[in-house]
This record gives sequence, C-alpha cells and structure tokens, in this order.
Amino acid sequence: AQSVAQPEDQVNVAEGNPLTVKCTYSVSGNPYLFWYVQYPNRGLQFLLKYITGDNLVKGSYGFEAEFNKSQTSFHLKKPSALVSDSALYFCAVRDMNFNKFYFGSGTKLNVKP
Amino acid sequence: NAGVMQNPRHLVRRRGQEARLRCSPMKGHSHVYWYRQLPEEGLKFMVYLQKENIIDESGMPKERFSAEFPKEGPSILRIQQVVRGDSAAYFCASSPSRYGASGNTIYFGEGSWLTVV
Repeated sequence: AQSVAQPEDQVNVAEGNPLTVKCTYSVSGNPYLFWYVQYPNRGLQFLLKYITGDNLVKGSYGFEAEFNKSQTSFHLKKPSALVSDSALYFCAVRDMNFNKFYFGSGTKLNVKP
Repeated sequence: NAGVMQNPRHLVRRRGQEARLRCSPMKGHSHVYWYRQLPEEGLKFMVYLQKENIIDESGMPKERFSAEFPKEGPSILRIQQVVRGDSAAYFCASSPSRYGASGNTIYFGEGSWLTVV
C-alpha cells in the first residue's frame, strides 16, 4: 500500500537559518513525490515534485527537496528560512495504478524572526 | 488563468439542512478529487471522479454524502442532513488525465468552509 509519513507535527526555525521538513514514503514501484504548502484559510499550493532524474529537485519560493531512494525519503529544504515561510506543509505520493494521491499528516513550520 | 474554482467559500448550515459544494476544475482537467480537512488535522481523501463516473469513493462516509461530476457543469459534493461533525474545510483538486505526462500534479481550489450550527 502507498503511504507517506511526516514524522514531525511542528518544526521551529529561526529566520535566516536552514530548514528541513521530513517526509518518508512507502510505495510499490517508482515513487512520484510532491510537496504542497498551505497558508491559513487557503488551499494547498504546489511547491515541487520528483518524478525521475536528479535527486535534488528545485521548486517555488526557493524550496528544494532531496529524493533518497535508499532511505525512502523526500525531505523538503530551504537554505535560509523566511518568516513568510511559516505555513503547513504536506508531502504526497501518487499511486500511478489508481491515480490516487496520498498525503502526509502535515508539518507546521514556524519561522521566528 | 482560472485555477480550480470552488464555491461557496464559506457556508453556514443548521443541523439537518443540506450543503452543496461546487467545484469547477482547471481548464483541460478531467479528473476531480474531493478532500476534507478537519480543524488542526490533515487532508482526508473522499472521492475521485471523472466526467459522469465515480472512480473511487472509498473515503466517502456511507450515508448522507454523495458526489457527482456531470458531463456539463461543475462537480458537486452534497451533504444531506448535516451534523456538527461535518464542519470542516472541503477541498477540491483537479488533474489533467490519468495517462498524461508522468507525475501529473493535482491542483487545489481555495476550499469551501462549512460550518454547521
């Protein structure tokens, strides 16, 4: 069965410091992995995706994610956090057989000035 | 450049009334997904539809909830006889096709916030 785990409910980081939001996955076959961000009272916005190719994927707003097949992880990263990055972040995996997207439980990122 | 359009954005219903939430997918998208997000919780898959077909409704409650995506018009999520526990944000998402470019992304609407009083 396909699944995604986000082990941290909340991540706190100071502005200007690097941030990492963790995601691990379980899929049969090749993983198609995604990150979305949700600001308060808004819908989810697509940040980036990994399909194939380079393990380091670059996305919107300076975010990037590193695909690690041996560790079955797809951690979201940013070299220097901004207060405006504070939001809820969701990792997702797509089941290509059934065209379903499985979302993690979300990680709340707090960036403090 | 219209994205996924949901309406109403906010809906208040009394217990026992019906709620209808509408979703127009992005242009060119033929797949629609509905998710529910309870306060302080993650996203829960409800139903996946294509035009005139329900593909997967494994996340839909067995009673009171139904969804459709007619040949013409938006997708509708219908909740009959609402109860307080139905209060949540309901998100619609769409994607181009199942067999399109690998890894097609789904795009979300801004959500419909249902409050049952």
